[in-house]
Amino acid sequence: DTEVTQTPKHLVMGMTNKKSLKCEQHMGHRAMYWYKQKAKKPPELMFVYSYEKLSINESVPSRFSPECPNSSLLNLHLHALQPEDSALYLCASSQGWLAEQFFGPGTRLTVL
Amino acid sequence: TQLLEQSPQFLSIQEGENLTVYCNSSSVFSSLQWYRQEPGEGPVLLVTVVTGGEVKKLKRLTFQFGDARKDSSLHITAAQTGDTGLYLCAGVGEYGNKLVFGAGTILRVKS
Repeated sequence: DTEVTQTPKHLVMGMTNKKSLKCEQHMGHRAMYWYKQKAKKPPELMFVYSYEKLSINESVPSRFSPECPNSSLLNLHLHALQPEDSALYLCASSQGWLAEQFFGPGTRLTVL
Repeated sequence: TQLLEQSPQFLSIQEGENLTVYCNSSSVFSSLQWYRQEPGEGPVLLVTVVTGGEVKKLKRLTFQFGDARKDSSLHITAAQTGDTGLYLCAGVGEYGNKLVFGAGTILRVKS
């Protein structure tokens, strides 16, 4: 299995909702990442997990809460989001922290 | 902060034409990746270059890493409409702790 999967593909939520994004990889990669991407812009790093521990938080607002239950799974819990948080959320994984990254297809999030 | 300047930002060409996308920095990069992304999808890794002066070919795509590992280029020969997409260069700086992305090049190939 050489892919990163993400669910759901699309998500629409209100500003008072709580939802979660899920990411899974079975390549044995030990680093996993969350990125946020606006249209026609490069991905912006949000969080890095290395060996299931949070290694980097790029000063992301607390309404985004990451979780790494095990080496294959990465979640992003969402609460009280703002309309400006609408974007494509990408998960990626790599063999090691600074190795080449493989991206999932993303979750298109719309906050109303 | 290590930056990657990518150019051009936008490129619109006819099918069959050649093109080159550039990725430049004043800093040394340990490795550099090129990705292609279609709308609504995640970036797909095309190639990783790690050695100064390295040239890699992927069918009609030729990737080059500068001798000093500060710049890279992607050359597409005889572009096809299927090459349309957002091309991103990304690299890990020599002393960096994360992947740094260029601003991206939006390529549109017209039939």
